[in-house]
Amino acid sequence: RKEVEQDPGPFNVPEGATVAFNCTYSNSASQSFFWYRQDCRKEPKLLMSVYSSGNEDGRFTAQLNRASQYISLLIRDSKLSDSATYLCVVNGDNYGQNFVFGPGTRLSVLP
Amino acid sequence: SAVISQKPSRDICQRGTSLTIQCQVDSQVTMMFWYRQQPGQSLTLIATANQGSEATYESGFVIDKFPISRPNLTFSTLTVSNMSPEDSSIYLCSVESWGSLAGGRADTQYFGPGTRLTVL
Repeated sequence: RKEVEQDPGPFNVPEGATVAFNCTYSNSASQSFFWYRQDCRKEPKLLMSVYSSGNEDGRFTAQLNRASQYISLLIRDSKLSDSATYLCVVNGDNYGQNFVFGPGTRLSVLP
Repeated sequence: SAVISQKPSRDICQRGTSLTIQCQVDSQVTMMFWYRQQPGQSLTLIATANQGSEATYESGFVIDKFPISRPNLTFSTLTVSNMSPEDSSIYLCSVESWGSLAGGRADTQYFGPGTRLTVL
């Protein structure tokens, strides 16, 4: 089993749609969790951290379920500019040194 | 926020040659990381580079193939040695953020723009 698994995608959705990505991780000792966004031919950029209580940043909502070792990202009112690959990242410690990247889920928002 | 740059941004190299990639940060950081992202794949950590000590390599990566230097707290290099077409990839450096780069977000990583390497 891979350490971090994500929905295989791609997701093709119309503008304005709501889309949800799922991620599971195998290391129950993982300490922190993130979603990164990677545009084509660009470096990954931090989208948001994921907290146990869930957190929201505008149209983006992230959830963490430690018992199920499951992370989700919800994007509401999708924009064309949301088209990218979304990477689930799990950190095995609290020091930013033990990052494991999921394979990514590609999103295309269509006009 | 800090700026992370890499040189070169891209290169096309012949089999058997070596390429050194530079990563520069405009503020001091303790840890720098080197990743590889092969076409259509996610990121794989090659090694962690600390200033003043040898780099720590992940399983499947060895110092002879990927020597790393870390002469100070703002700079690191990764060399891809004796290249083969299988080394064609994007190579990314990243730095650990403890709030000084991230404006309060601790324990995460920020990436340079990457070096796109093609080996013929």
